[in-house]
Amino acid sequence: AQTVTQSQPEMSVQEAETVTLSCTYDTSENNYYLFWYKQPPSRQMILVIRQEAYKQQNATENRFSVNFQKAAKSFSLKISDSQLGDTAMYFCAFMKHRDDKIIFGKGTRLHILP
Amino acid sequence: EPEVTQTPSHQVTQMGQEVILRCVPISNHLYFYWYRQILGQKVEFLVSFYNNEISEKSEIFDDQFSVERPDGSNFTLKIRSTKLEDSAMYFCASSEGTPQGTQYFGPGTRLTVL
Repeated sequence: AQTVTQSQPEMSVQEAETVTLSCTYDTSENNYYLFWYKQPPSRQMILVIRQEAYKQQNATENRFSVNFQKAAKSFSLKISDSQLGDTAMYFCAFMKHRDDKIIFGKGTRLHILP
Repeated sequence: EPEVTQTPSHQVTQMGQEVILRCVPISNHLYFYWYRQILGQKVEFLVSFYNNEISEKSEIFDDQFSVERPDGSNFTLKIRSTKLEDSAMYFCASSEGTPQGTQYFGPGTRLTVL
């Protein structure tokens, strides 16, 4: 069975700093997808970034980038120039290829301090 | 931008009662999902639905649960006889053209069973 582990339950950083959220996963699959979802307070989860396991290049979306290490089964999220609006719960997630259910980690609550 | 909506935002019910949680997926989406998150635990997959039938369900999704797309816009989750342990946040999601497409989540319904 696949599992996703986020070892940092909560983090705080100053505005404009760079922060990295950790995620590891366990799978015997070779083809799969990895995601970071953001859930701001009292709002819905939105997709931040998506990585296909067959792609070696790390995905980026503006200030958000990932460090995908397939052999180590690690998928960290880096937020550059953090903003107050980045305050949220961040979920790392996994989906097997040809599957449609997402497996989530427990989440990291990120606070961006003014 | 289109969003998944869910009603009600909070539902309180007595143990043994039936509840129906409602979702309106994004209009051109074809795949629909329910997830739940018990307080302090991970978001867990319950069921996926495509072409008017269940495509996958988890072991949590037992005979007490059912899903339906009663019309062209709504997607419902029914719990026939609620138990205390059904208290959780229930998230609906939808995706567009393939099961591996990005899943867009609703804001959730908090179900409290007394």
